[in-house]
Amino acid sequence: LAKTTQPISMDSYEGQEVNITCSHNNIATNDYITWYQQFPSQGPRFIIQGYKTKVTNEVASLFIPADRKSSTLSLPRVSLSDTAVYYCLVGGNTGGFKTIFGAGTRLFVKA
Amino acid sequence: NAGVMQNPRHLVRRRGQEARLRCSPMKGHSHVYWYRQLPEEGLKFMVYLQKENIIDESGMPKERFSAEFPKEGPSILRIQQVVRGDSAAYFCASQPTRATSVETQYFGPGTRLLVL
Repeated sequence: LAKTTQPISMDSYEGQEVNITCSHNNIATNDYITWYQQFPSQGPRFIIQGYKTKVTNEVASLFIPADRKSSTLSLPRVSLSDTAVYYCLVGGNTGGFKTIFGAGTRLFVKA
Repeated sequence: NAGVMQNPRHLVRRRGQEARLRCSPMKGHSHVYWYRQLPEEGLKFMVYLQKENIIDESGMPKERFSAEFPKEGPSILRIQQVVRGDSAAYFCASQPTRATSVETQYFGPGTRLLVL
């Protein structure tokens, strides 16, 4: 399973766009990239998943360059309620999605 | 469709007692994962189960910890003779039967175990 590296913490202000980059140099061919969000005292919540190029949903966008060794989660116009820990995970469909969570990125959105 | 249910949400035990944590997956989900999260840390994989089978328990401590997912009823994570170091949040996640694409895991609210 590929290891991921992401910043420990980030600060932002309401209304700004936030980009969180994750490095996964050892990503395998069949690995997908998934991002989760976790609020205090809650379980992680799926945000977005992608394999290559760009994926967009109602919550975020995920940018994946051609070499797939990194990915960037983009949160448009963050609000105070986006303050959370964001986890980047890399894994494949190989008999169970055994996910390995790193320490995540603590995003703190200020007014 | 109800989400993943875990109970109890909070559990207090004294050293040496047993802790039993329950997880009811989402309807139609036959895969269950258990994770442990220490304060200020990410989640650590413990065990992956399908109905009546343990698929991967590589993250489970060899002693005192066991997990099951019976044909009927919830998945149970059992910790015998708890120690203070077992204090953590334990999360369960469920996933549908495998399809042709990678699928996400849906997490429960967690059980916070405190060992006194």
